[in-house]
Amino acid sequence: GAVVSQHPSWVICKSGTSVKIECRSLDFQATTMFWYRQFPKQSLMLMATSNEGSKATYEQGVEKDKFLINHASLTLSTLTVTSAHPEDSSFYICSALGGAKTQYFGPGTRLLVL
Amino acid sequence: DQQVKQNSPSLSVQEGRISILNCDYTNSMFDYFLWYKKYPAEGPTFLISISSIKDKNEDGRFTVFLNKSAKHLSLHIVPSQPGDSAVYFCAASAGGTSYGKLTFGQGTILTVHP
Repeated sequence: GAVVSQHPSWVICKSGTSVKIECRSLDFQATTMFWYRQFPKQSLMLMATSNEGSKATYEQGVEKDKFLINHASLTLSTLTVTSAHPEDSSFYICSALGGAKTQYFGPGTRLLVL
Repeated sequence: DQQVKQNSPSLSVQEGRISILNCDYTNSMFDYFLWYKKYPAEGPTFLISISSIKDKNEDGRFTVFLNKSAKHLSLHIVPSQPGDSAVYFCAASAGGTSYGKLTFGQGTILTVHP
């Protein structure tokens, strides 16, 4: 149980394009999902909290107009990196909040912006 | 401000022996602590958690100890196996408006030698 999937697992795009990443909880409903970013040799940094049916809340320093989050249903949250630039290249990981404040993580999406 | 710290970047242990991974925190509002295991280019996998009302939680080979007065927690793996080799992250969560949000430590690379 508690499986979270992400799609795509990796993506290469040109600078200036937008990229959408999907996060799905496969066997449980999640009213809350989280989006993280991990740069090489660093820890996971929380970007935003995605709540089903309401606006996402962003951490300090994260541009909400650049990283668009939509939590359309209890099993799906999407992160769109708009007008991506090389500095946005990173490993993006989502998680879904299960019972007892435990987060279950997706496998991650590697984004490379050329 | 690093609220969750894992001061040992790496740990090397012989197969069959005990692995002890340590984690310190500074925020007294944290009331739930988790350990995750992570392989490169994958999302973290939940291992074990502990609420602040307890000082020990055990699940198979994994035991987490919490010392609230010292703001310290540790993960014991006994016996260690080569398949345990990975990066281990401790994470902490507070209640209230921060419900479910995790703050991660920097991670400790565990290597278990056959």
